[in-house]
Order: sequence, then C-alpha cells, then structure tokens
Amino acid sequence: EDQVTQSPEALRLQEGESSSLNCSYTVSGLRGLFWYRQDPGKGPEFLFTLYSAGEEKEKERLKATLTKKESFLHITAPKPEDSATYLCAVQAVDNDMRFGAGTRLTVKP
Amino acid sequence: GAVVSQHPSRVICKSGTSVKIECRSLDFQATTMFWYRQFPKKSLMLMATSNEGSKATYEQGVEKDKFLINHASLTLSTLTVTSAHPEDSSFYICSAPGGAFGGTEAFFGQGTRLTVV
Repeated sequence: EDQVTQSPEALRLQEGESSSLNCSYTVSGLRGLFWYRQDPGKGPEFLFTLYSAGEEKEKERLKATLTKKESFLHITAPKPEDSATYLCAVQAVDNDMRFGAGTRLTVKP
Repeated sequence: GAVVSQHPSRVICKSGTSVKIECRSLDFQATTMFWYRQFPKKSLMLMATSNEGSKATYEQGVEKDKFLINHASLTLSTLTVTSAHPEDSSFYICSAPGGAFGGTEAFFGQGTRLTVV
C-alpha cells in the first residue's frame, strides 16, 4: 500500500537556524512527489514537483531533494514568515495522490 | 499558475440543514476535481473525485448520499453536505489537477471551514 510519512511532526527553529524536513514514501510507481505549504485556515500552496531520484529544486530559502525512498525540504536561514505546515504528497502512476500528515514549522524571531 | 476558487471560506449551519460548497477553476477547464477533508493537524483525506459529465467516484467509507458531488461544467464542481451533523464539522478543500497546464501538480482552493452547531 502506498504510504507517505513526514517527520518531524512539528519543528521549532530560531530565525536563521537552518534545518530539513523529511518525507519518506513507498509507492507503486512514482509519477511525482510534491511539496506544498499550508497556512492555517488556507488551502495548500504548491511549492515543488520532483519526478526522479537525484532531482533538486530551489525557491528562495527552500530546496527540495529526492531519492528513491524519501524527499527532503531544506530550509536555509528561515524567517518567521516561513512558519507554516509543509505537506508532502506522492502521485502514483495510476494518478492517485497520497498526502503526508505534514510538518508544522514555527520560526521564532 | 492555475487558480481554483472555493466558496464560502467559512460557514456555520444548524444540524439537519444542508450546505453547498462551490469550487471553480478560474482560468482553465477542469474535467476532474478532487474533494478532500482535513481534520486538525491531520493530512488531507480524499473523499471523492468529481468528473464532468459523469458520476463522482467516492472513496471507501464516504457516504454518497451525505456528500453529494456535482460537476456541473468544466469550471464548476460542488459538494453538498446534506443533513449536516456536528461530526461533519471540518475543513473541506477542493483541488484540480494541473494537467491542463502541462504539469502534474494539483492546485487547491482556499478551503471551507464548516461548523455544524
């Protein structure tokens, strides 16, 4: 069965303290792995799509990487406005999309 | 990128009444819309997939008669929670696949916070 596990469940950082969020997955045929940001009371906002192992994508302070078993979202020198829940989702070749429970990131000034 | 508009953002209703949530694709045609339910601090759970011109596909355990889905056009899908009860209170989110723009990512609506009192 396809599974997506995100860790840690919650992460508190000081402003400027870099860290990484993990997304471990098992899927029968990966079509794509997605990272989303979700603010409280809002719908998820698309960040990245990764398609194959070794692929990396960057956007401002965020960098996403992918292996055959997991993906990391690296946050470099985070700012308080980076505080949000970060969701990982995998899409199988049958187009089913499965979401992880998310990592709640809090960045303190 | 694609824009999906969901309305209303918040709704409070009395037990036993029905509530309709709309999801519109503003700048593209969506033959498919996904409806999710999200509990506090939990992941998105797919409830059903609506398809323009045909019946919606419901996930196991989701009551078809309680959560009525209609995909009226290529830009509009609706979810109606019928005879709502307090346990139906949740955050409901729609999304459309971004295949229309050549990508595979999904674009989400803003979500609807439903509170049944």
